[in-house]
Amino acid sequence: GAVVSQHPSWVICKSGTSVKIECRSLDFQATTMFWYRQFPKQSLMLMATSNEGSKATYEQGVEKDKFLINHASLTLSTLTVTSAHPEDSSFYICSAPDKTYEQYFGPGTRLTVT
Amino acid sequence: QQPVQSPQAVILREGEDAVINCSSSKALYSVHWYRQKHGEAPVFLMILLKGGEQKGHEKISASFNEKKQQSSLYLTASQLSYSGTYFCGTVLSAGGTSYGKLTFGQGTILTVHP
Repeated sequence: GAVVSQHPSWVICKSGTSVKIECRSLDFQATTMFWYRQFPKQSLMLMATSNEGSKATYEQGVEKDKFLINHASLTLSTLTVTSAHPEDSSFYICSAPDKTYEQYFGPGTRLTVT
Repeated sequence: QQPVQSPQAVILREGEDAVINCSSSKALYSVHWYRQKHGEAPVFLMILLKGGEQKGHEKISASFNEKKQQSSLYLTASQLSYSGTYFCGTVLSAGGTSYGKLTFGQGTILTVHP
């Protein structure tokens, strides 16, 4: 199956700093990518839909100015958590669908804000 | 719009069977099933498209009842490796802004004991 990578796999940062997470589709082009967040023992919650060449679409309750998404190419989407705070600590996962609607998930990035 | 999964948790002994259900109050285009191990990203199991179908590989199969907007995941002769949290993800429509957008259920924790 197709492969989606994420970088970094984990990151620890201080409160107030910004963190960038990359999501790459390695062997297929993804005009759309999705960003999810998962808190411990909870389900995955969709944060935003990343669209290549256009603005991202954010889910209700997600601050677009805090979670900046850039889909610069058909294989790369980035999520930047700006001015991170401890409550932003979570597991961030991206996914990309192929033409058959199968979703390929990245391995996730664990963010810890101290 | 979050699909509802049942049961919330299942405890099995190796070799026993289990059924996990996923139901939606909205018309579905597709249902996706994933298994997630602790600290890892979800792993794709299968996708079922509208039209009411069944799929399976090895000892894991699933069905999708389009009329009832329900899907069931069947795990037969369970193995220790089946332990994890199972999520169903639903897509309400194809194309447009909803393309591929998965909404996950709350998850079902499956534990298989020797």
